[in-house]
Amino acid sequence: ETGVTQTPRHLVMGMTNKKSLKCEQHLGHNAMYWYKQSAKKPLELMFVYSLEERVENNSVPSRFSPECPNSSHLFLHLHTLQPEDSALYLCASSQETTDLFEGNTEAFFGQGTRLTVV
Amino acid sequence: GQNIDQPTEMTATEGAIVQINCTYQTSGFNGLFWYQQHAGEAPTFLSYNVLDGLEEKGRFSSFLSRSKGYSYLLLKELQMKDSASYLCAVMDSNYQLIWGAGTKLIIKP
Repeated sequence: ETGVTQTPRHLVMGMTNKKSLKCEQHLGHNAMYWYKQSAKKPLELMFVYSLEERVENNSVPSRFSPECPNSSHLFLHLHTLQPEDSALYLCASSQETTDLFEGNTEAFFGQGTRLTVV
Repeated sequence: GQNIDQPTEMTATEGAIVQINCTYQTSGFNGLFWYQQHAGEAPTFLSYNVLDGLEEKGRFSSFLSRSKGYSYLLLKELQMKDSASYLCAVMDSNYQLIWGAGTKLIIKP
């Protein structure tokens, strides 16, 4: 099994639809993230969950709603999206630590969901 | 504000060496990461630098100078499969990753 799995890989939805993106990690990490990746722009952090508690949301519009039922699963619920929300949505996980020399602090990414809003 | 700068695109020849630079201005510094991302795929981890100097991993090396807010990724003996985007990211004082927009590397035969 791959470390971080995202479904679906591709999604086309209308502006009035409701859909959910799913992410699952099998690495035993204690933190999970949702990122938005648009062409030629830096990765935009949307949400961070550490030990299943949301610690960051970076002023994301309320049409994006995250859910983290346990340390292995993360969802992103979508409703009434806009065409400009079309992008690649990436899930990642990591083992959070303040020991910079411990190693193994890197984030592992899922393959992403290519979302198109029509 | 926080900022990571890297070139948008670079071209190099198969078998050659290429250096991708990254400069950063962040609130605090807790390490710098390089990731590789092939088109349509997930970013994958390449290297992590937290102390000044050069870290070598096979054909790839990464250098850091904290006083200059500068890093580079050096790729040697380039292969066609190295064509990808290379992302620089800095972990700030809140242990959050700040990302650059990525450098698209094109390898020509």
